[in-house]
Amino acid sequence: DGGITQSPKYLFRKEGQNVTLSCEQNLNHDAMYWYRQDPGQGLRLIYYSQIVNDFQKGDIAEGYSVSREKKESFPLTVTSAQKNPTAFYLCASSIGRATEAFFGQGTRLTVV
Amino acid sequence: GQQVMQIPQYQHVQEGEDFTTYCNSSTTLSNIQWYKQRPGGHPVFLIQLVKSGEVKKQKRLTFQFGEAKKNSSLHITATQTTDVGTYFCAGSAGGADGLTFGKGTHLIIQP
Repeated sequence: DGGITQSPKYLFRKEGQNVTLSCEQNLNHDAMYWYRQDPGQGLRLIYYSQIVNDFQKGDIAEGYSVSREKKESFPLTVTSAQKNPTAFYLCASSIGRATEAFFGQGTRLTVV
Repeated sequence: GQQVMQIPQYQHVQEGEDFTTYCNSSTTLSNIQWYKQRPGGHPVFLIQLVKSGEVKKQKRLTFQFGEAKKNSSLHITATQTTDVGTYFCAGSAGGADGLTFGKGTHLIIQP
């Protein structure tokens, strides 16, 4: 089945540790995105990539980093510089920049 | 930058009542999309509107795009418990511009 996979579903980390969230898609989509979702805040764009080896900051990129070494993969690292990292993280992909977005199941990160 | 406002933030209805959520953009949009997120789930694409004044229907759901392409609405007729969730609009001004999501409307249905 074609789709977009995020792992793990739940993740716990200690404060001060970096953590990497996985996102893989087999839809052959060029564009991939990372969103953060907090209660009452909707979806806020962290980073996006339209092509391999290129990515752009979104609205809330501070404290996060990404890479796009392969078309299928777009991992997100939440660094210790992110002041409030506990949130629900959603990865998405689409054919083009503003076309229908397909979302992964999400990763709920809790930092204690 | 582009802003997409969505109201109301929460809507409580009795099962069987109608429901409407509204989306307004600060700029003219090239297209607008609607997504539904079930509790504990992820957003799922419902529909895309691209033409001024466009109206599309999916069973009990009716989607409209304003004449000026700056606003949109989603109307659900005779809500059912399966309609529970958060409905997001997402608009794009076109070109290199991506999607900007509204904050969503949480639909709560009381049986």
